[in-house]
Amino acid sequence: NAGVTQTPKFQVLKTGQSMTLQCAQDMNHEYMSWYRQDPGMGLRLIHYSVGAGITDQGEVPNGYNVSRSTTEDFPLRLLSAAPSQTSVYFCASTPGQLNTGELFFGEGSRLTVL
Amino acid sequence: AQTVTQSQPEMSVQEAETVTLSCTYDTSESDYYLFWYKQPPSRQMILVIRQEAYKQQNATENRFSVNFQKAAKSFSLKISDSQLGDAAMYFCAYRSAQGTYKYIFGTGTRLKVLA
Repeated sequence: NAGVTQTPKFQVLKTGQSMTLQCAQDMNHEYMSWYRQDPGMGLRLIHYSVGAGITDQGEVPNGYNVSRSTTEDFPLRLLSAAPSQTSVYFCASTPGQLNTGELFFGEGSRLTVL
Repeated sequence: AQTVTQSQPEMSVQEAETVTLSCTYDTSESDYYLFWYKQPPSRQMILVIRQEAYKQQNATENRFSVNFQKAAKSFSLKISDSQLGDAAMYFCAYRSAQGTYKYIFGTGTRLKVLA
């Protein structure tokens, strides 16, 4: 079992460039989410999905797009990167209602926007 | 809206000693989950311990235990016999047991273990 797989692990962008952070999970989890981690601010929710075809905004959604066409994949798109989006990004998933509540994380992606 | 507060940005502990990390939360719900996650320098988020609010008994996992005070909305993590490998950032997190899957994280406490 690979769990939650994020790619790439590191990326450097120039302001205005676009890119997609990939996230895939092989645990058949209903819920998938994207967080960003910044020093002193903990993990903040960007977008989340409770199933294929269903997405919703989290705490800090501006500048990011998501889609969920399959149960397994939940890509995060930066349409026009800004220096304020320099951060570490985590994809995380959890099963449906009847579960332990644990959130399973990918290894994180460090993004630098110059 | 729920909030999670970790008031200690950084803590230090001597190897083999005991340390307690604090976490308080605010919610109007009666049923929820609480978690402590560890983030070592590798950046991977690792679940340390979880507590279900309806259970009065404090959760324990080997050297890790919690002091769950539901009325006070407090959820502290005690690490006994601290080891060098315990050095990491620790995050407290909350999740409702009903409806939403949203998790709310605290800002983290960086734990240093001194040899």
